[in-house]
Amino acid sequence: AQSVAQPEDQVNVAEGNPLTVKCTYSVSGNPYLFWYVQYPNRGLQFLLKYITGDNLVKGSYGFEAEFNKSQTSFHLKKPSALVSDSALYFCAVREEGNNRLAFGKGNQVVVIP
Amino acid sequence: DVKVTQSSRYLVKRTGEKVFLECVQDMDHENMFWYRQDPGLGLRLIYFSYDVKMKEKGDIPEGYSVSREKKERFSLILESASTNQTSMYLCASNKFPYLTDTQYFGPGTRLTVL
Repeated sequence: AQSVAQPEDQVNVAEGNPLTVKCTYSVSGNPYLFWYVQYPNRGLQFLLKYITGDNLVKGSYGFEAEFNKSQTSFHLKKPSALVSDSALYFCAVREEGNNRLAFGKGNQVVVIP
Repeated sequence: DVKVTQSSRYLVKRTGEKVFLECVQDMDHENMFWYRQDPGLGLRLIYFSYDVKMKEKGDIPEGYSVSREKKERFSLILESASTNQTSMYLCASNKFPYLTDTQYFGPGTRLTVL
């Protein structure tokens, strides 16, 4: 069965510092990986996805993520965090042949001015 | 841009009431989904539908039913609301059968059952 782990409940980072949000996954076969962000009292917004090809994926708002097959990871990164990046971040995976997405529990990111 | 709308942002109901949550998408998507979001549990799939009048149970269907009479509209029904159904409910949609297609989410309905 497909699953996602986001090991940290909260990530605190100073404004201007690099931001990393961790995600590991478990699937049978090839994974399709997604990152979403949720601002307070809002729905989820799509950030980026990995389907195939280049392991480094670039997305919205300056975010990128690196697919690492050997470590089964898909960490989200941003070189320089902004206060406005403070939000809840969800990693999700779908395996081939399965139309459902499996979501992680979410990471609260707090960017300190 | 894809637009997914939900009928209410906030809803307060009493135990035992029948509750309808409505979701509409304007991108002619075949797939539609209902999730509930609870702190520390992430998003859990309640039901999804891949075509009109078609539905499949997700991971937590107990206490819920769904209706999809038109392609653009997917309704979640709580037959007899209970306090443990207090939660944020999120609707999403995407194209079928494109498994790589992104799911697009509505703004959510925060339901409180008293």
